[in-house]
Amino acid sequence: GENVEQHPSTLSVQEGDSAVIKCTYSDSASNYFPWYKQELGKRPQLIIDIRSNVGEKKDQRIAVTLNKTAKHFSLHITETQPEDSAVYFCAASPLGYQKVTFGTGTKLQVIP
Amino acid sequence: GAVVSQHPSWVICKSGTSVKIECRSLDFQATTMFWYRQFPKQSLMLMATSNEGSKATYEQGVEKDKFLINHASLTLSTLTVTSAHPEDSSFYICSARDPWQGAGNTIYFGEGSWLTVV
Repeated sequence: GENVEQHPSTLSVQEGDSAVIKCTYSDSASNYFPWYKQELGKRPQLIIDIRSNVGEKKDQRIAVTLNKTAKHFSLHITETQPEDSAVYFCAASPLGYQKVTFGTGTKLQVIP
Repeated sequence: GAVVSQHPSWVICKSGTSVKIECRSLDFQATTMFWYRQFPKQSLMLMATSNEGSKATYEQGVEKDKFLINHASLTLSTLTVTSAHPEDSSFYICSARDPWQGAGNTIYFGEGSWLTVV
């Protein structure tokens, strides 16, 4: 089955700096890669996703890159703000199949 | 985006009793729903995949007789924790796949349910 690894487990950045979270996956059949943000005690919220036919996708301060050959994808947050502080999960799923495998999570702390 | 509602948000029950958690897709028909368990400071662990009108598919290590899943309609799946014990205390969260969003892979999560077994 799919195995998704995520690094780092914790990340502290100064407000205004950039944050990068990296994930690797094992199943070459995976071609849908969503990222979720989860605040304490709340549900995960989809913040951005990317499909294998795209190498990069950007939405305001958030961008995701995908390298299918190397089987890794990354989340980039620029100009970080305190409200970006949360746990971020990457995930991988094969298109057409239904199972989504999550990474272990990264706790991001943005220091004002 | 699509809305998935989960109820109850918090539940406390006595050891040995059963607890039912509901997951509803409010504005789309979800042929597939997923049930996750999340321990504090850990990731979401998939428990089972619930398909409308058929038996759920459980992940390895998940007791299907303890965690009963029913997906009787396209908008409702239920998780029943039977004979609950303190070790079952956890955050349970459902998600539903919207077959019409994002090539059918977009997943929306319910609010989650905190279960405490005393």
